[in-house]
Amino acid sequence: DTAVSQTPKYLVTQMGNDKSIKCEQNLGHDTMYWYKQDSKKFLKIMFSYNNKELIINETVPNRFSPKSPDKAHLNLHINSLELGDSAVYFCASSQARLASGGRWREQYFGPGTRLTVT
Amino acid sequence: QKEVEQDPGPLSVPEGAIVSLNCTYSNSAFQYFMWYRQYSRKGPELLMYTYSSGNKEDGRFTAQVDKSSKYISLFIRDSQPSDSATYLCATNNQAGTALIFGKGTTLSVSS
Repeated sequence: DTAVSQTPKYLVTQMGNDKSIKCEQNLGHDTMYWYKQDSKKFLKIMFSYNNKELIINETVPNRFSPKSPDKAHLNLHINSLELGDSAVYFCASSQARLASGGRWREQYFGPGTRLTVT
Repeated sequence: QKEVEQDPGPLSVPEGAIVSLNCTYSNSAFQYFMWYRQYSRKGPELLMYTYSSGNKEDGRFTAQVDKSSKYISLFIRDSQPSDSATYLCATNNQAGTALIFGKGTTLSVSS
């Protein structure tokens, strides 16, 4: 069974469209994340949710809106897509926060969604 | 200055070589240091992590942290073609809410 899954795997769309990416984890983890990896492979945190609550929101355009319907799901909705949004988006999860009570929590990544905006 | 700096390479070595991958970080408050491996078109997977300074060994892999110089290293002994991937160093932000990654070093091991 896949631990962290994302759909779709590939997404090609035109500028100005609205699209969503879905993420599900079956690990029973409390915390889920969205990362963006640009063409130079730089991986940067976008959002983090803990028990369905937003706990981190990096400097991301408000065209990006995460939604967590339950602990196992974290979706990413993107409005008015722009060329610069083309990237690979990774969902990840961990048990509780990454460094809780002095203990490191491993983070598991999904396979990624390759978004191309034309 | 970026919080975590990593030479992107690429790095090409013959099979059996010892590989040294390195990162530097800027914030002395960082405590946990990780190495992730990412194969082409896949998600990153945790390879090793260390807490504070010191060495950690796992098979052919050794992770080393020198907090005095803010330097993180990953050594791969007897490198194999299957080690060909991008290696990302990372640390957790002070709040422990997210990982901060280096840019990744792309390694190619030829047989």
